[in-house]
Amino acid sequence: ELKVEQNPLFLSMQEGKNYTIYCNYSTTSDRLYWYRQDPGKSLESLFVLLSNGAVKQEGRLMASLDTKARLSTLHITAAVHDLSATYFCAVDNNFGNEKLTFGTGTRLTIIP
Amino acid sequence: EPEVTQTPSHQVTQMGQEVILRCVPISNHLYFYWYRQILGQKVEFLVSFYNNEISEKSEIFDDQFSVERPDGSNFTLKIRSTKLEDSAMYFCASTETYEQYFGPGTRLTVT
Repeated sequence: ELKVEQNPLFLSMQEGKNYTIYCNYSTTSDRLYWYRQDPGKSLESLFVLLSNGAVKQEGRLMASLDTKARLSTLHITAAVHDLSATYFCAVDNNFGNEKLTFGTGTRLTIIP
Repeated sequence: EPEVTQTPSHQVTQMGQEVILRCVPISNHLYFYWYRQILGQKVEFLVSFYNNEISEKSEIFDDQFSVERPDGSNFTLKIRSTKLEDSAMYFCASTETYEQYFGPGTRLTVT
C-alpha cells in the first residue's frame, strides 16, 4: 500500500523567512502533485512534477522531485501572510488515471 | 476556464437517510473520482470511474456507497443509509490524462 508522509504537520513561521516542507512516499512513482487548501475550500493545484529532478517555481514557492529518494520538497522563500494555508502532496501509481494518495498535509501559518 | 462543479455545497441529513451528491466534471474528461476529507484530516480516495464502470474503490467505499453517470454530464455519489461518521467534505475530481481537477466540494453533515 502506497504511503505518503509529510513533515512537518504544522509550521508557524514569520514573514520574510524561508522554509521547506518535505513529502516522502513509499513506492516508485514519477508523478507527484502539490495542492493548496484554504480553510473550508477545495484543493488548488500548485505543481505537477513528472520526472526525477523536476523543479518548478511559481512566485515564492518552488517544488522539486527526487524519485530515487522518493522525496519531494516544497520550498517557501520570504514567506508572506497570503501563503497561510494547508499544503498537501499527492502521488499516483504511475500508471495513468490512477487514484491519488495524499499526504497528511502541512498547515502553514505565516505570522506578521 | 472549464471547472468541475458540485451541488449542493452543503447538505444536512439525518442518520439513516439517503443522500445523493452531484458533480459535473469537465466536459472532455473521461476519468472521474470521488474523495472525502473528514474535518482536519487528509484527503482520502473513495472511488474512480471510467467508461461507465468503477475502476477502483477503497475500503471506505462499501455497499452503502454507489456511483452513477446517469447522463452525459452528471456524476453522482449516493450514500444509501448515512452514518454519523459519513460527515465529511466530499470532493469530485476529473481528468483527461493524469492531472486531476477538483470541484469545490459538498460538505455533508449527518445528525
